[in-house]
Amino acid sequence: QSVLTQPPSASGTPGQRVTISCSGSSSNIGSNTLNWYQQLPGTAPKLLMYSHNQRPSGVPDRFSGSKSGTSASLAISGLQSEDEADYYCAAWDASLNAVVFGGGTKVTVL
Amino acid sequence: EVQLVESGGNLVQPGGSLRLSCAASGFTFSNFWMSWVRQAPGKGLEWVANIKQDGSEKYYVDSVKGRFTISRDNAKNSLYLQMNSLRAEDTAVYYCARVACSSSIGCYSDYWGQGTLVTV
Repeated sequence: QSVLTQPPSASGTPGQRVTISCSGSSSNIGSNTLNWYQQLPGTAPKLLMYSHNQRPSGVPDRFSGSKSGTSASLAISGLQSEDEADYYCAAWDASLNAVVFGGGTKVTVL
Repeated sequence: EVQLVESGGNLVQPGGSLRLSCAASGFTFSNFWMSWVRQAPGKGLEWVANIKQDGSEKYYVDSVKGRFTISRDNAKNSLYLQMNSLRAEDTAVYYCARVACSSSIGCYSDYWGQGTLVTV
């Protein structure tokens, strides 16, 4: 049972918009920044979004992030086949003194 | 170019020990927190431990406290994870990651190695 809660799967057709939620609490998302990681099949994780909505250099602007209270979301607009991957949210938890990850969401492009 | 290369993964018996290493290059190693994150086969990511730039602060996930020790050698640009009393549930790919922090935007793992497999 992960501290951050994500839906296990999401899907869409090419060009559609897909949104992934990440739910936490006041000790993690509510009081610290939230980051998103993308893991393509068979590869290491890669930073996709940091501080809720900041894209590292090289990440397409099709990816966007938001946060409200103790929840956050990642949106993929104009879904492409290369976006098929696992997506994880993560944040520092001040009560646990630990980094906590969501269970991951597998995005499938239909 | 930032590079993180893990090594030391192996097959080990329950109760045994293993030391993982992560060789860093392409950045000033001593300026960054570092982290170990693991992924059991077919499962999600699990943070294992963090260490401050000078090694003065260390944090661990509860499941490894007292068994694993994170350390670093800034002169050798290397990060380590000493794993003792290994259990079957420690079986995973272990990733080394650089942690970038700022007071305004918090911390995040901006570069990851390719991982090393530990099988218990």
